[in-house]
Amino acid sequence: DAGVIQSPRHEVTEMGQEVTLRCKPISGHDYLFWYRQTMMRGLELLIYFNNNVPIDDSGMPEDRFSAKMPNASFSTLKIQPSEPRDSAVYFCASSFRGGEPQHFGDGTRLSIL
Amino acid sequence: QKEVEQNSGPLSVPEGAIASLNCTYSDRVSQSFFWYRQYSGKSPELIMSIYSNGDKEDGRFTAQLNKASQYVSLLIRDSQPSDSATYLCAVISDNFNKFYFGSGTKLNVKP
Repeated sequence: DAGVIQSPRHEVTEMGQEVTLRCKPISGHDYLFWYRQTMMRGLELLIYFNNNVPIDDSGMPEDRFSAKMPNASFSTLKIQPSEPRDSAVYFCASSFRGGEPQHFGDGTRLSIL
Repeated sequence: QKEVEQNSGPLSVPEGAIASLNCTYSDRVSQSFFWYRQYSGKSPELIMSIYSNGDKEDGRFTAQLNKASQYVSLLIRDSQPSDSATYLCAVISDNFNKFYFGSGTKLNVKP
């Protein structure tokens, strides 16, 4: 079975540009999570969806960040405008149910110059 | 106080020894507990799940849960250099609406 698929794997862009990260969860998983990982702050939950509905976005750092899940097989995380402090690895994860373990994609390594 | 606390390490053990990794959590009604392994530059990989008090064994790995004391641990027997990684503890609340990861413990297994 295919795992969680994220694209792109690497993104380098200049400050002020719009960045869109994409995620395809494992088929049949009801929960989708977006995380950000840095050396300083570790793994931070940004937002999660249940059945395509955003449930908790309290981890989204500011209004520059937005996430959507238009259907069960696709989600996006958008940063507009991007800033150098947004540089991090962004992971998408999905789980079958809320109490089940999360399965992570390979991540997107984002560098904002 | 963080919801999930782990010693950042590094924890160094010789090859063949038992590595003991610990995690404490603050939400008393947490229900689901997981250990993930993360190699440098890679994504977290699930290695153990535990849901009830006691021990759960899977090969060289044993997860231990004590809800009364609010800690969960991971033992790695016969540690191998390939076990060198960062180990993340994850906790889910009982109503499945809160998800917490610890900051991870870095394990070094020396040949």
